[in-house]
Amino acid sequence: DIQMTQSPSSLSASVGDRVTITCRASQSISSYLNWYQQKPGKAPKLLIYAASSLQSGVPSRFSGSGSGTDFTLTISSLQPEDFATYYCQQSYSTPRITFGPGTKVDIK
Amino acid sequence: EVQLVESGGVVVQPGGSLRLSCAASGFTFDDYAMHWVRQAPGKGLEWVSLISWDGGSTYYADSVKGRFTISRDNSKNSLYLQMNSLRAEDTALYYCAKDGGDTLWYFDLWGRGTLVTVSS
Repeated sequence: DIQMTQSPSSLSASVGDRVTITCRASQSISSYLNWYQQKPGKAPKLLIYAASSLQSGVPSRFSGSGSGTDFTLTISSLQPEDFATYYCQQSYSTPRITFGPGTKVDIK
Repeated sequence: EVQLVESGGVVVQPGGSLRLSCAASGFTFDDYAMHWVRQAPGKGLEWVSLISWDGGSTYYADSVKGRFTISRDNSKNSLYLQMNSLRAEDTALYYCAKDGGDTLWYFDLWGRGTLVTVSS
């Protein structure tokens, strides 16, 4: 199976900060990489699909980049509602879909 | 309203069986593949199973293969997960998720989840 890692596992940031989360695949996955946001007690929400395509309704401060094995999710100016856990997910080896372990973003 | 609503989660003993249901509304259900994804308490997300739009193809994570069966009834806009030989490690919140529909295999709509607890 393709293994996904994320760094950092957690970070503390302030409102207005630029935040970058990295996701790495154990082998090339082309652009088959998706990002989700999950708030406590809530279902995950799709943010970015195919590495860099913004899901409808998601604020433009979220962006994704990368291909092959290395990917990033960037929040250009962190807002209070962005404090959450973020997961990457590879779909290159469907049906063996795997998620990263998550990155928790909390308030500094 | 576009939504998925799961049901059927309960406390069950190890070795027991359970059937989860997911009711879909607000979109053309039989246009999309569907998934089950689970999340153990305090842990990350784990993909469990996938079913094609017509139910003709099904896939499972190794952790549940041979024990779980995914199915759908397009006439009822419903998705199911039959869970047999349950283990403590199957304890999780089970989410029903809609596939994005363009063979990129992402989940663009999620239910709120239903909690399965396997304990004696």
